[in-house]
Amino acid sequence: DQQVKQNSPSLSVQEGRISILNCDYTNSMFDYFLWYKKYPAEGPTFLISISSIKDKNEDGRFTVFLNKSAKHLSLHIVPSQPGDSAVYFCAASASDSWGKLQFGAGTQVVVTP
Amino acid sequence: DGGITQSPKYLFRKEGQNVTLSCEQNLNHDAMYWYRQDPGQGLRLIYYSQIVNDFQKGDIAEGYSVSREKKESFPLTVTSAQKNPTAFYLCASSISDEKLFFGSGTQLSVL
Repeated sequence: DQQVKQNSPSLSVQEGRISILNCDYTNSMFDYFLWYKKYPAEGPTFLISISSIKDKNEDGRFTVFLNKSAKHLSLHIVPSQPGDSAVYFCAASASDSWGKLQFGAGTQVVVTP
Repeated sequence: DGGITQSPKYLFRKEGQNVTLSCEQNLNHDAMYWYRQDPGQGLRLIYYSQIVNDFQKGDIAEGYSVSREKKESFPLTVTSAQKNPTAFYLCASSISDEKLFFGSGTQLSVL
């Protein structure tokens, strides 16, 4: 039973435009959310996170929004750059599940010139 | 240069064979984890260890075993009981219950 869902397996966006990646979760105990970026044959690298006490966190071109009532979070990348082409994983954890992240299936982002 | 080193990058397993994947970290992190990635799926937790000489099963521990004799090392053995071992295996570590740092992965395939 997948507790974190990324329903869009792929996203194509033009360079300079906004990329919006969505993530839904079912476990109301989740209180910490992360986004990871992954290139082929490499390990994921941490991108940005948000705790449940916030509804927005921004870091440069990356902003994560959290809607707790809808159990939904999104990652905005603006402007999108060719180097952003990668798979993006949404992950969540609960404070009583020490370090055990639940991951979504990932969204493949392709940024075209 | 701190980080997590996984070896080998590619590994092949014969039928009935046990194979061991190496994971070493020099980040001085207490916690270490093993995840498995299958195509079109998210990462699934196999085992994790919060401290030396202690480890816990994750969501898909059957057919795997681990040890944590040193803080820096958390090897994963894929046993012959794991009937579908072909996957990309990722080791990670963390200093607390926050973000994980991942190694570059090992692709395991069955001959």
